[in-house]
Amino acid sequence: DTEVTQTPKHLVMGMTNKKSLKCEQHMGHRAMYWYKQKAKKPPELMFVYSYEKLSINESVPSRFSPECPNSSLLNLHLHALQPEDSALYLCASSQVGNPNEQFFGPGTRLTVL
Amino acid sequence: KQEVTQIPAALSVPEGENLVLNCSFTDSAIYNLQWFRQDPGKGLTSLLLIQSSQREQTSGRLNASLDKSSGRSTLYIAASQPGDSATYLCAVTSDNYGQNFVFGPGTRLSVLP
Repeated sequence: DTEVTQTPKHLVMGMTNKKSLKCEQHMGHRAMYWYKQKAKKPPELMFVYSYEKLSINESVPSRFSPECPNSSLLNLHLHALQPEDSALYLCASSQVGNPNEQFFGPGTRLTVL
Repeated sequence: KQEVTQIPAALSVPEGENLVLNCSFTDSAIYNLQWFRQDPGKGLTSLLLIQSSQREQTSGRLNASLDKSSGRSTLYIAASQPGDSATYLCAVTSDNYGQNFVFGPGTRLSVLP
């Protein structure tokens, strides 16, 4: 099973809302990633968790708060977002170390009004 | 800082042609290189992972080569089909754990029937 699932598929929220994105994998991977992708642009790395610990934070604003409650789950908590945060949010997972082939989920399309 | 470029930005070919997509990176000290395809509005599908010690990888009609010293990788697609139409992205990692993936801007491929 090489599937990464993400919920919800679509999310519309106001600038004062609090919402969460969820990602799950059952491949036994111990590295999990959040990416942001704007239209016609490549994915940009936001956060990496390695063995459930935050290992990379690419200077992401604090209105995005990641959480890795266990080795299969990754959450992204959203609060006080701006319209420019509207994008496709992608989750991925991989083994730690070689081979670190990344597997991506289908993404959550986020619209901030 | 690692920078990744891809040429061409877009490509339109008739069905059955063999084609080559190019990926270049500025820092040759990479951990791995991975090729993906992305259909509009969808997540990324892994095509091939080339570890830094390897020169090429093959999967079906796809062949990817890696020349670390020149900072280049090519993806060769044989006998192209309309179903191959998608955006193709390469990504490299240069950190010690192979987790900080940097993506190229992608090549948008259209295969015409």
